[in-house]
Amino acid sequence: SAVISQKPSRDICQRGTSLTIQCQVDSQVTMMFWYRQQPGQSLTLIATANQGSEATYESGFVIDKFPISRPNLTFSTLTVSNMSPEDSSIYLCSVRSPLWGTEAFFGQGTRLTVV
Amino acid sequence: KQEVTQIPAALSVPEGENLVLNCSFTDSAIYNLQWFRQDPGKGLTSLLLIQSSQREQTSGRLNASLDKSSGRSTLYIAASQPGDSATYLCAVTQSNAGGTSYGKLTFGQGTILTVHP
Repeated sequence: SAVISQKPSRDICQRGTSLTIQCQVDSQVTMMFWYRQQPGQSLTLIATANQGSEATYESGFVIDKFPISRPNLTFSTLTVSNMSPEDSSIYLCSVRSPLWGTEAFFGQGTRLTVV
Repeated sequence: KQEVTQIPAALSVPEGENLVLNCSFTDSAIYNLQWFRQDPGKGLTSLLLIQSSQREQTSGRLNASLDKSSGRSTLYIAASQPGDSATYLCAVTQSNAGGTSYGKLTFGQGTILTVHP
């Protein structure tokens, strides 16, 4: 299985600022995803991080608000821009690879509180 | 659009009970189904993965079954323990045109399980 390191694990941020979350995997992976889990809710996919090209965003999520980078096959960042209290959520990085069949693995998440 | 529903939303049981968590999905064209555990404020731990061609998977005290045609999966936990207390999430991956997928997961809302000593 994959070892996924996500940083920071939690943060409290002022509204109007931006936070960049990092996801590092211990091996090269085919697919990397970013999910959001709002308080009391289940997980919703924000975007698929594509290596060397622009991320693919789900309906309701836009690049200006959630810019994503994926410079190589083991690393990705998600930025939450111009934050408001509604952005308070857990943000999770997920990976999939033929190395592990079709199983999906998740990082430990970043708990973001916007005040 | 795929929709995943989990029943019950919450479950509280005494230690030692056997229990069943239910998951249903609206589109049977899935590639696989995965059960996860989430502790409060934490990430997801993969428990069991069932491919669309499989009927069940077992790991220790956990057994997951899949009836793809009826759009249902169950997670059976035997001899529950207080350490099993967590939120259990069911998620499906859709098949793509090529019949394979390493794509996104669609999640249910989860079942919050509390096991009392």
